[in-house]
Amino acid sequence: RKEVEQDPGPFNVPEGATVAFNCTYSNSASQSFFWYRQDCRKEPKLLMSVYSSGNEDGRFTAQLNRASQYISLLIRDSKLSDSATYLCVVDTGGFKTIFGAGTRLFVKA
Amino acid sequence: EPEVTQTPSHQVTQMGQEVILRCVPISNHLYFYWYRQILGQKVEFLVSFYNNEISEKSEIFDDQFSVERPDGSNFTLKIRSTKLEDSAMYFCASSASAGTRRRYFGPGTRLTVT
Repeated sequence: RKEVEQDPGPFNVPEGATVAFNCTYSNSASQSFFWYRQDCRKEPKLLMSVYSSGNEDGRFTAQLNRASQYISLLIRDSKLSDSATYLCVVDTGGFKTIFGAGTRLFVKA
Repeated sequence: EPEVTQTPSHQVTQMGQEVILRCVPISNHLYFYWYRQILGQKVEFLVSFYNNEISEKSEIFDDQFSVERPDGSNFTLKIRSTKLEDSAMYFCASSASAGTRRRYFGPGTRLTVT
């Protein structure tokens, strides 16, 4: 089983749509969880941290289910500018961070 | 917002040559990292560095790689004898503390080995 697994997509959605991405991780000792966004040939940028209670930042909602070792990201009212690759990132408590391969999103007018 | 900077943005080198990739982390950060991303693949952790020593490294970070903080601002990654498979984007990152898991990434150096 991969350490961090994501559906590669691509997800093709119209503007205004709601889209959800999922991520599973294999190490039950993982401590911190993040969603990063990566535009083509650019560096990853933090979108949001993921907390056990779930958290929201504007149109973005992240959820964590430790029992199922599952993280999700929900994007509401998609914008053209949301088109990017979304990376699920897991910290196991050391310095090493483990990236998922990413889910590609295309938002179309 | 403060930024991590990296130079050069693109480096082309011949197989077997040594390259040094340079990074200037955010000034008050204490933890520094190198990652690489082969085209079309995921971001992979290479090494973390704290208090002038390596704190953790991956299996990718073998003897041909080394890191150094030669002065108070720069953080470098050296690849001693480059191979074709070293062609990738190399990202430097920094974080304020071990408890702050957020990594701030630099824009990357694209390394092409011919």
